[in-house]
Amino acid sequence: SQELEQSPQSLIVQEGKNLTINCTSSKTLYGLYWYKQKYGEGLIFLMMLQKGGEEKSHEKITAKLDEKKQQSSLHITASQPSHAGIYLCGAGSNTDKLIFGTGTRLQVFP
Amino acid sequence: DAGVIQSPRHEVTEMGQEVTLRCKPISGHNSLFWYRQTMMRGLELLIYFNNNVPIDDSGMPEDRFSAKMPNASFSTLKIQPSEPRDSAVYFCASSSPRLAGVNEQFFGPGTRLTVL
Repeated sequence: SQELEQSPQSLIVQEGKNLTINCTSSKTLYGLYWYKQKYGEGLIFLMMLQKGGEEKSHEKITAKLDEKKQQSSLHITASQPSHAGIYLCGAGSNTDKLIFGTGTRLQVFP
Repeated sequence: DAGVIQSPRHEVTEMGQEVTLRCKPISGHNSLFWYRQTMMRGLELLIYFNNNVPIDDSGMPEDRFSAKMPNASFSTLKIQPSEPRDSAVYFCASSSPRLAGVNEQFFGPGTRLTVL
């Protein structure tokens, strides 16, 4: 079965700093979803990548899917306290299921 | 749109009691998912339905767990009898038919279950 590993598991950064979260799959990715979860709340969809080499941006968050399609990275530029939360990657398949990664807990301090 | 609605938001019960979690998916969505989130195991898919039919229940932990979807606008996840190790946040999510391979799932706020 497919497994997704995220790194780092947790991250504490100062406001204004850039950061990167990685998601590595044990199998080829056929669609990679990034979600954000605020503490005590549900998951919010950020973006989805389908093709190797694809890159998408939403505000100050950029996600890339590498050419070999087994890894994705999420980059936040000039982090703000509002970026704090848990970031999860999810792998799509030919069914409706998503398999989620282990999550990265991000804290941003002023 | 109201989004995915879950109830209750919090549930505290004693070991051995029956627990029923409820979910109302977004109108028009034809797939519904039940997840469990814990610190140790992360976010796990328990079961999902497509057009009210259970498609994959391989994530259901054991016979104490059961899920139903009697119609397109309602689903329940039942635990009977409950055990302390069932304590977790349970999420319901729904999605519409896939377009061009995209399957964005919309999550509810979750039900935080504590079994004493």
